[in-house]
Formats: sequence, structure tokens, C-alpha cells
Amino acid sequence: QKEVEQNSGPLSVPEGAIASLNCTYSDRGSQSFFWYRQYSGKSPELIMFIYSNGDKEDGRFTAQLNKASQYVSLLIRDSQPSDSATYLCAVNRGSARQLTFGSGTQLTVLP
Amino acid sequence: SAVISQKPSRDICQRGTSLTIQCQVDSQVTMMFWYRQQPGQSLTLIATANQGSEATYESGFVIDKFPISRPNLTFSTLTVSNMSPEDSSIYLCSLRGRAGETQYFGPGTRLLVL
Repeated sequence: QKEVEQNSGPLSVPEGAIASLNCTYSDRGSQSFFWYRQYSGKSPELIMFIYSNGDKEDGRFTAQLNKASQYVSLLIRDSQPSDSATYLCAVNRGSARQLTFGSGTQLTVLP
Repeated sequence: SAVISQKPSRDICQRGTSLTIQCQVDSQVTMMFWYRQQPGQSLTLIATANQGSEATYESGFVIDKFPISRPNLTFSTLTVSNMSPEDSSIYLCSLRGRAGETQYFGPGTRLLVL
């Protein structure tokens, strides 16, 4: 089992719809969870992080965490073509709190 | 957040040669990390660069192949030694932000080995 698993996609949604990105992790000791966005040819940029069970909202983005199910998700409301990118889920681990990344989900928002 | 720069931004190298990648941060940071992103793949941690001590390497990565220096709290280098085409990747340095465990990435170095 991979440490962090994501649906590889690609995922396509129409403009204005809600995009739902999912991630599961294997290490129950993980405490911090991150979503990064990576445009083609660019480095990853942090969108959100979440530590506690429940929802965390930031503008059009909502991160959801369920530690009992070892599941974290990212919802993008009112999706825009500019949201088209690869979304990477990352989980911390180890004494130095290194990040382990999922394989990423490629999202395309269709105008 | 801190500004991270990397040099070179890209390079094309011959098999068997070595390339040193520099990562410069505009403020002092305790922990820096080096990642590799192979074509079409996600990020894989190579090592954690600690100031004043040897880097800590992840499974599958060794110091002879990827020597790392961390001479101060604002600078680190990663060398890709005795390169082969399989080393063609994007190499990224990152740092942990002051707010806690969030990590921020530099612009990356795109390496092509022929």
C-alpha cells in the first residue's frame, strides 16, 4: 500500500462546478495534511493545510479531514479554468516532519 | 514567506558528468529539503539538509550519488554525480515556513541528461 494515494484522474469539471479531490494515507500517526497545486512546468505552491478533523475553508477552497478514515479531501467551489493544474496531497511523517506526496490528480476545468 | 531561488534553472548535461544545484533563501531557515520530480511523476524526497551536520538521506538515495552541503542557514547545494539519463528530472529545494510544518518550494532545476 502506498503511503499516500490519490485518484490519478484526469478529472474534468465544467466551469462553475465543484471539483472534489480525494486522498488517503496509511500512517495513522500523521498529523498534518497539505494540498499543493502545480501548474505545468512550475513548482508546487501551497494551497491549504489542515491539522484537525473537520472542514477548513479558505475562499473557494475547503479541505476536509477524517482521521478515523485516514482520508483528506479538497473541494474547489466555482471552479475556474485557471484552476486547471495537478493537485498534490502531502502528509507529514518522521522526526523532521518530512512530507510524503501522493501521485497527484490532474484537474481540467472546461470553459 | 521566504523567497527561494535556485541555480541553474535548467541544464543539459552529458552522461557521466556531475552538476551542482544551488538553493538560496533570503532568510535564515533551520530545515531545508531536496526533492526530485521525475517526468510525469510526483515529488520524492531525496534528503533533509541540516546546517552543521550531514544530510539525512531517504531510502534509495545515497551520499555518493547526491552529496549535499549546507554551510549556513540560507544556502544549500545538491550535486547529482556521475549522471545517467535516468537522472533527468526536476530537482526542487524546499524549506519549512516559520508558521510550522508548511513547506515552500523553490522554482526548481530542470535537468536533462543525454
